[in-house]
Amino acid sequence: QSALTQPRSVSGSPGQSVTISCTGTSGDIGGYKYVLWYQQHPDKAPKLILYDVNKRPSGVPDRFSGSKSGNTASLTISGLQAEDEADYYCCSYAGSYTYVFGSGTTVTVL
Amino acid sequence: QVQVVESGGGVVQPGRSLRLACTASGFIFKNYGMHWVRQAPGKGLEWVATTWYDGSHQYYSDSVKGRFTISKDNSNNTLFLQMDSLRAEDTALYYCARDGQDSYGPDHWGQGTLVTV
Repeated sequence: QSALTQPRSVSGSPGQSVTISCTGTSGDIGGYKYVLWYQQHPDKAPKLILYDVNKRPSGVPDRFSGSKSGNTASLTISGLQAEDEADYYCCSYAGSYTYVFGSGTTVTVL
Repeated sequence: QVQVVESGGGVVQPGRSLRLACTASGFIFKNYGMHWVRQAPGKGLEWVATTWYDGSHQYYSDSVKGRFTISKDNSNNTLFLQMDSLRAEDTALYYCARDGQDSYGPDHWGQGTLVTV
């Protein structure tokens, strides 16, 4: 149950795109379609922004998109906005009803 | 709207016990699995435990297995986390979260309750 690997930080200017990677193993990301992404603003609860790799819950802007290749999942934020500045966490189903989270990535809007 | 509210956190000495509760509303609680996820101060998210919709099966992270017990009272729309033999490394904000409606994984989260060991 080792944490999934994410870059510590990424940054971009307003309007640009940023991509966050999330690397696991064949026992989690590589083995299942159940990859989720969460956005967490300071002192707030995490908010689900993607599930099943690339599905957006109601109300989440289509600027947020996801993909997966092998043992690595990715979150792309297009048209970066100031309000997107937050921490982002990936999460994967890891079999037998267990889950593993990523180490977290801080997105800074320059 | 879907809402989950945690309670029961506090300051406790190492080796002692604490019981967290999570009261749910806005959805049919008995139809959903539930999760506990924690976040140590300044750190990332860590999955702690999951229970099936009917409370019949429970699953735990290796870090809490044998010490924590997750349970579900569908009559009172309440999720519990019984934490025994607490350690300093269990200090964290504990979140309750509902399992996804159409998939696996936490979707709606509460605001958390702080446990300090």
